[in-house]
Amino acid sequence: RKEVEQDPGPFNVPEGATVAFNCTYSNSASQSFFWYRQDCRKEPKLLMSVYSSGNEDGRFTAQLNRASQYISLLIRDSKLSDSATYLCVVISLYAGNNRKLIWGLGTSLAVNP
Amino acid sequence: SAVISQKPSRDICQRGTSLTIQCQVDSQVTMMFWYRQQPGQSLTLIATANQGSEATYESGFVIDKFPISRPNLTFSTLTVSNMSPEDSSIYLCSVEGGGGSGTYNEQFFGPGTRLTVL
Repeated sequence: RKEVEQDPGPFNVPEGATVAFNCTYSNSASQSFFWYRQDCRKEPKLLMSVYSSGNEDGRFTAQLNRASQYISLLIRDSKLSDSATYLCVVISLYAGNNRKLIWGLGTSLAVNP
Repeated sequence: SAVISQKPSRDICQRGTSLTIQCQVDSQVTMMFWYRQQPGQSLTLIATANQGSEATYESGFVIDKFPISRPNLTFSTLTVSNMSPEDSSIYLCSVEGGGGSGTYNEQFFGPGTRLTVL
């Protein structure tokens, strides 16, 4: 099992739709979680951190479920400009107090007019 | 957030040659990271570069193939040596947010170098 798994999609949704992605992680000692957005042929950019209590930024809501070991990203009222690949990142703790960023493969979203 | 630039933005190289990629940050940072993103793949960390010490390489990556320099707190280079078509990828440098305190915080990326090896 991969340490961080995402459904690669693509998710094709109409404008205005609500869409949700999940990202599962295998290391229960994982500490921090992020969602990044990557546009085609561009570098990843931080979309939002994921806090234990959940957090919202405009149309975007991120949730963490430690019991089931997944994080989620909800996008409401999708815009054409939301079309991108969404990468989840998990910071996990390993032996020797080593921390590592583990990147998911990303979920591709296409918002259609 | 840090502003990061990379040179070159893209290159097409012949098998067996080497390419050095430069990464410049607009602020002083302790740690800089080099990633590779192959087509359809996730980001893979190649190594972590601290100023004044040897880079720390991840499993599967070695210094002879990917030598790294870190001469100061705002600059780093990654060389892809003796290239083969399998090295075709996007190479990205990144820094941590929070002034590079040594904890893994948010990452900010350079625009990437798109390498094609023929």
